[in-house]
Amino acid sequence: AQKITQTQPGMFVQEKEAVTLDCTYDTSDQSYGLFWYKQPSSGEMIFLIYQGSYDEQNATEGRYSLNFQKARKSANLVISASQLGDSAMYFCAMRLLIQGAQKLVFGQGTRLTINP
Amino acid sequence: DVKVTQSSRYLVKRTGEKVFLECVQDMDHENMFWYRQDPGLGLRLIYFSYDVKMKEKGDIPEGYSVSREKKERFSLILESASTNQTSMYLCASSPPGWHGYGYTFGSGTRLTVV
Repeated sequence: AQKITQTQPGMFVQEKEAVTLDCTYDTSDQSYGLFWYKQPSSGEMIFLIYQGSYDEQNATEGRYSLNFQKARKSANLVISASQLGDSAMYFCAMRLLIQGAQKLVFGQGTRLTINP
Repeated sequence: DVKVTQSSRYLVKRTGEKVFLECVQDMDHENMFWYRQDPGLGLRLIYFSYDVKMKEKGDIPEGYSVSREKKERFSLILESASTNQTSMYLCASSPPGWHGYGYTFGSGTRLTVV
């Protein structure tokens, strides 16, 4: 089954610390994409970072990096030097090609709280 | 700035009503999607569309239908609203092809069915 699993319902981190949000995926496809989104209390989904299954280097975008371990099927998000504004829900997602159609499958989400 | 606009932020409807959720994008994207978001379940795909007048069922289409008469507009229809359809509904769009741009989401509509 094509599935994304986020095992941390909630995380609490001190400001300025680094934080790792876990994501594992399950697919038999060779070609797929992995995304991380942030959802603040306002509700909108903000795209953070993308990793293609054939990308050999881990993706980075500013303070965000994606720790991609293909053999373990994990795609953890690392946020360096956390800030109060990082408090939000975070979703890992996998894009698949199913019967010619692209679909984005989401995990359950992790609620991150940054403490001052 | 690219945008996906959902017509209502909050909506309260009665059981049995026909409900329309509207979504408009200004990016000329071919692909549009409707998800519902529930605590502990993440986002689940209801319906999607890759072209005008075209629609495909997602993972949880029961109780919903969609309409895409124009490229920029994708409507989600609850034919007869029920309390188990109380949820946050998110619309998204994306250009065609395999790319790393992700989807652009609207701000969501929080629907309560009473």
